[in-house]
Amino acid sequence: AQKITQTQPGMFVQEKEAVTLDCTYDTSDQSYGLFWYKQPSSGEMIFLIYQGSYDEQNATEGRYSLNFQKARKSANLVISASQLGDSAMYFCAMRRGSNYKLTFGKGTLLTVNP
Amino acid sequence: NAGVTQTPKFQVLKTGQSMTLQCAQDMNHEYMSWYRQDPGMGLRLIHYSVGAGITDQGEVPNGYNVSRSTTEDFPLRLLSAAPSQTSVYFCASTGSTAANYGYTFGSGTRLTVV
Repeated sequence: AQKITQTQPGMFVQEKEAVTLDCTYDTSDQSYGLFWYKQPSSGEMIFLIYQGSYDEQNATEGRYSLNFQKARKSANLVISASQLGDSAMYFCAMRRGSNYKLTFGKGTLLTVNP
Repeated sequence: NAGVTQTPKFQVLKTGQSMTLQCAQDMNHEYMSWYRQDPGMGLRLIHYSVGAGITDQGEVPNGYNVSRSTTEDFPLRLLSAAPSQTSVYFCASTGSTAANYGYTFGSGTRLTVV
């Protein structure tokens, strides 16, 4: 069974600094996709970034980048130049190959301090 | 706007009552799913569907029923509500037309069972 582990229940970062949120995954599949979602206090799920297992480059979307280390089965989210609006819960999730089911980690609560 | 529509946004039920959470999408996505979110647990898959007439159980299916009579709609039925079903429920959809099988989430339903 696939599993997503987020070991940091909570993280604090100063405004304008970079922060890394950890995510490790466990799967025996060769083809899979990794997602990061942001959930602000308002509750909606906001897609941030996607990495496919065969993608050779690390994914980037604006201030978000995904540090993908396939051999170590890690997919850490890096947020550069943190902003107060980045304070939220962040979830890592994985999809196996062409299977649509999405498995989530338990999340990391990020707090950005002024 | 194209997306996933969930109703209601809030609901209070008494133990033993039944109700249906509605989910509709207008993106012609094959896959639809229901998650529940509980503090410290991330999002857990309840039921999913890969097309009209096809449904299957996820990680936490007990106490819930689903059906998929059309591509657009995927209602979740609570047969006899229990306090353990107090949670936030999300519907999500994706399909072969979505970039990187990206998932679109509804805005959530906050359910309280008293």
